[in-house]
Amino acid sequence: DVKVTQSSRYLVKRTGEKVFLECVQDMDHENMFWYRQDPGLGLRLIYFSYDVKMKEKGDIPEGYSVSREKKERFSLILESASTNQTSMYLCASSPRQVNTEAFFGQGTRLTVV
Amino acid sequence: ILNVEQSPQSLHVQEGDSTNFTCSFPSSNFYALHWYRWETAKSPEALFVMTLNGDEKKKGRISATLNTKEGYSYLYIKGSQPEDSATYLCASHTGGFKTIFGAGTRLFVKA
Repeated sequence: DVKVTQSSRYLVKRTGEKVFLECVQDMDHENMFWYRQDPGLGLRLIYFSYDVKMKEKGDIPEGYSVSREKKERFSLILESASTNQTSMYLCASSPRQVNTEAFFGQGTRLTVV
Repeated sequence: ILNVEQSPQSLHVQEGDSTNFTCSFPSSNFYALHWYRWETAKSPEALFVMTLNGDEKKKGRISATLNTKEGYSYLYIKGSQPEDSATYLCASHTGGFKTIFGAGTRLFVKA
């Protein structure tokens, strides 16, 4: 059974804290993605990676960075958390071929207070 | 259309009703259209990947059609069941890594 695992389901952090969201996939996929989902909006792409140590900005990268040191792991970093980063964060992975489905993690609901 | 738009935002139906909802997407630079089902407290799961104009796909009671020339896709659920309650997301893939998601249609099926 294929799996994308996110490190936390729920997280509460204080404004200004550095926050790490971890994502691990066991499918040997080349592509990995971080999205956020807010009420009334679609999934918005923050960053993606198509290979180890490679990263590309998505639509809303401001305030975030990412790290992909190993193929199976893609980390999202909030350098200094702010209340407007309170959201549901979803990690996904897919094979290199562009016309294939993505597999999602269960999501991390982050609250910044 | 520059974005992916889904309608309606939410839908309440009775068990046994058939229902459908719409996904509109940019018809230029089209590559593929994805449908996902996202149940509460679970991960989104892929339902269909559709690429060709006129494509029709079916999985059990759920089916989807695709019109790439006018930029829309319909998802149909026949004889809705409470376990069909979920958010249905569509996503338009315009080549490369660019996938644009709609906001989803939230379906509630009452027993």
